[in-house]
Amino acid sequence: NAGVTQTPKFQVLKTGQSMTLQCAQDMNHEYMSWYRQDPGMGLRLIHYSVGAGITDQGEVPNGYNVSRSTTEDFPLRLLSAAPSQTSVYFCASSSLAGGASEQFFGPGTRLTVL
Amino acid sequence: QQQVKQSPQSLIVQKGGISIINCAYENTAFDYFPWYQQFPGKGPALLIAIRPDVSEKKEGRFTISFNKSAKQFSLHIMDSQPGDSATYFCAASSPDRGSTLGRLYFGRGTQLTVWP
Repeated sequence: NAGVTQTPKFQVLKTGQSMTLQCAQDMNHEYMSWYRQDPGMGLRLIHYSVGAGITDQGEVPNGYNVSRSTTEDFPLRLLSAAPSQTSVYFCASSSLAGGASEQFFGPGTRLTVL
Repeated sequence: QQQVKQSPQSLIVQKGGISIINCAYENTAFDYFPWYQQFPGKGPALLIAIRPDVSEKKEGRFTISFNKSAKQFSLHIMDSQPGDSATYFCAASSPDRGSTLGRLYFGRGTQLTVWP
């Protein structure tokens, strides 16, 4: 199993550009989520999904969109990139059995917005 | 509002010493307390976790101590090694199957450096 995969690993954008961060998992997990990690701020939840067709906002959703058309994929879209979105983005997945407690993280995407 | 407060922000320990990282929470509905370990350039990985029905859980050199009445839990790394140098995050979640299902509330992290 590949676990949770993320692409790209690195990305540089100009202010105002849009892009999609890809996330896929092969563990048949119902729950998937996106976090951003900033120095001294820990991991902050952006959006999450408890299954295909179901998404909800986390702690810092502004400027991001998500959709979940399949169990495996959970892309994160930046609509109009801003320098404040410079961060490292992690996707995670877990099984809802047991309350989605143990989350498996991908390797991250480092995004710089100029 | 920070649901889980973690300290210290950074920690330097000599090889062979004991590393201790502390976390505190307010929400008494939390019933799962994991610790994640993150190496530079990698995603966090689950290290050890505890539920409030026990006061301590040990896995190798890593131990979680849990104090339900004080709403605190801590990670102890015995015989710390240079390979333990990483960022450690505590977290908490509740069994609520409503809007908070699956949501992990993370502390801000502790950067541990173990000197050889």
